[in-house]
Amino acid sequence: AQSVTQLGSHVSVSEGALVLLRCNYSSSVPPYLFWYVQYPNQGLQLLLKYTSAATLVKGINGFEAEFKKSETSFHLTKPSAHMSDAAEYFCAVRGATGGGNKLTFGTGTQLKVEL
Amino acid sequence: SAVISQKPSRDICQRGTSLTIQCQVDSQVTMMFWYRQQPGQSLTLIATANQGSEATYESGFVIDKFPISRPNLTFSTLTVSNMSPEDSSIYLCSVDLQGSPYEQYFGPGTRLTVT
Repeated sequence: AQSVTQLGSHVSVSEGALVLLRCNYSSSVPPYLFWYVQYPNQGLQLLLKYTSAATLVKGINGFEAEFKKSETSFHLTKPSAHMSDAAEYFCAVRGATGGGNKLTFGTGTQLKVEL
Repeated sequence: SAVISQKPSRDICQRGTSLTIQCQVDSQVTMMFWYRQQPGQSLTLIATANQGSEATYESGFVIDKFPISRPNLTFSTLTVSNMSPEDSSIYLCSVDLQGSPYEQYFGPGTRLTVT
């Protein structure tokens, strides 16, 4: 079985401040990990993915995430928040083998960016 | 990536009726998925639809309530049958691209309100 836990359902940062959204995973097989963003009234857009290559993954819009096996974490960061980053962010996991087609989502983190 | 469209984008329906949601992809894909996102919540997989075979439903979802068709490699439909207010959700389809098995791309979603 595989799952992800997102700490903090709501995160608020000032414009220009560091963004840190937390995600911890649980998987019995080597995981593939993803971050998706959902803007209001829109579908999900893939931000970045980890597929067992480099542990530091760079995505779109200046976001990056680091896979830390020892901490079972895949936190999402951005050095400087922009107003346009306000959205809901979902961490997701799928197994590399055995039922690996199923994508399991965390509960989401709503990011608010304030002036 | 893939361009995925869904119809309708939103609808308001009366309880007891049914709604069929269409998902169209601009390239041929083997696997298509249907998700439900209830208000303020994360995404839950309803079923996986492979062309040429019966859809595979997740625990808690049944074919009589959510019949799915997959007539070809670019199209699928999800029907929400005998609707109740609890079915008010966003319904999203997603695809795994051939040659890119690790990530899923999502359609814009169908926002359903049942009154």
